[in-house]
Amino acid sequence: EVQLVESGGGLVTPGGSRKVSCAASGLTLSKAWMSWVRQAPGKGLEWVGRIKSKVDGGTTDYAAPVKGRFTISRDDSKNILYLQMNSLKMEDTAVYYCATRGGDYWGQGTLVTVSS
Amino acid sequence: DIQMTQSPSSLSASVGDRVTITCQASQDISNYLNWYQQKPGKAPKLLIYDASNLETGVPSRFSGSGSGTDFTFTISSLQPEDIATYYCQQYDTLPPNSFGQGTKLEIK
Repeated sequence: EVQLVESGGGLVTPGGSRKVSCAASGLTLSKAWMSWVRQAPGKGLEWVGRIKSKVDGGTTDYAAPVKGRFTISRDDSKNILYLQMNSLKMEDTAVYYCATRGGDYWGQGTLVTVSS
Repeated sequence: DIQMTQSPSSLSASVGDRVTITCQASQDISNYLNWYQQKPGKAPKLLIYDASNLETGVPSRFSGSGSGTDFTFTISSLQPEDIATYYCQQYDTLPPNSFGQGTKLEIK
C-alpha cells in the first residue's frame, strides 16, 4: 500500500524559509514523477512544481509564483521528497500536499502559515 | 503555459439529478486530464484519469469524456455523499500541470 506523509509545516515570518518533507512507503520516489500542490485557506488547488523520475533525468519544473524561491529535491536513500521554500510571502500560506504525477496518491498535507 | 478553464464555479442540484461540469484547456493536452473530488479538510481523491477512465473503487455514476481541449465530467444520478468540490487537472508533460478553478457542488 502506498503512503505519503508530509511533515514540517508551521508558522514562518515573511521573508523566512521552511523545508517540508514527504516520506513515502510502498513507492520508490526515484522511479516516480512527483508533484507538490498547495491550497490556500478557502481557495482552490494550485500546482507548485514537480520532479521527474531519475530515469527521466530528475529535473524540476515550477509554477511561476514560486520559481526562483522554491526548490524540489529528493533523497533517494531515505525515500523522501522535499520542498524548500525561501523568501516566503504571506500569500504562500497554504496546505502543501505531495502527490504522484498521475494523482492517484496524495499525502494528508501540511500547513505552512506565513505571518508576522 | 496551459490554462484550464472549469465551469461552473458552483452548482446546486437535487438528489438523483444528472450533473455536468466542463473543463477547457488552452491548448491540446490529448487525454492527459484527471478529475478529482475534494471534501473539506481532506486531500483530493482521484475519480477519473486519462479523461475517461474510472479509478478503481469509484462508483460508476461518475464518468468523464473528451480529448484535446474540451472535457466533461458527469455524475449520472447525484447522491448526498457527492457533495464536494470537483477539480480538473491537466498532467501533460508540459508544465504547469494546472488545475481548473473548481466546482462547488451543493444539494438543493
